[in-house]
Amino acid sequence: QKEVEQNSGPLSVPEGAIASLNCTYSDRVSQSFFWYRQYSGKSPELIMSIYSNGDKEDGRFTAQLNKASQYVSLLIRDSQPSDSATYLCAVRWDSGYSTLTFGKGTMLLVSP
Amino acid sequence: SAVISQKPSRDICQRGTSLTIQCQVDSQVTMMFWYRQQPGQSLTLIATANQGSEATYESGFVIDKFPISRPNLTFSTLTVSNMSPEDSSIYLCSVVEGSTEAFFGQGTRLTVV
Repeated sequence: QKEVEQNSGPLSVPEGAIASLNCTYSDRVSQSFFWYRQYSGKSPELIMSIYSNGDKEDGRFTAQLNKASQYVSLLIRDSQPSDSATYLCAVRWDSGYSTLTFGKGTMLLVSP
Repeated sequence: SAVISQKPSRDICQRGTSLTIQCQVDSQVTMMFWYRQQPGQSLTLIATANQGSEATYESGFVIDKFPISRPNLTFSTLTVSNMSPEDSSIYLCSVVEGSTEAFFGQGTRLTVV
């Protein structure tokens, strides 16, 4: 069974620090990887997508993908209290429009 | 990205009744999905809503319990039938477009009493 694993946390970081969120997955041939942010009581919001090995940066967010080691990470620089949320890692196993499998999410708490 | 409108946003229902959740997208999209998120849990895919044909259900979900319609490329409904307290969850509509990124509606928070 294809699985996506995340540490449930909470991960606590002080304001201004770098938050590092990690995700591992079970299928080496997975195609696409996504990070979603979910505030309490809200629906998931797409932050980043990454499809090839290496780093992808967007503002304060950097996604890192290592297919050989089967992990994907999300770095949040200069963390803000407003970043406090649950971060969900999602994997699409096949190409095209196939479905996503989500990890259970990591709760991030950024203290002022 | 597409604008996804989902309603109702929340409801409290009596056990044994049914609730239909609507998902409207402001543009035609190829794929629409329905997810469930139980309290404190991650998202679980219920089914893929196929335009003009029967939905494709994931293991553990059946059409009699979760009938789905998708009459066109911008609209879908999910019905939660014969509800029990175990059906209390957030139900989410999701669409995939363009670069295969998935976006979500606001969700429907269902409480069954």
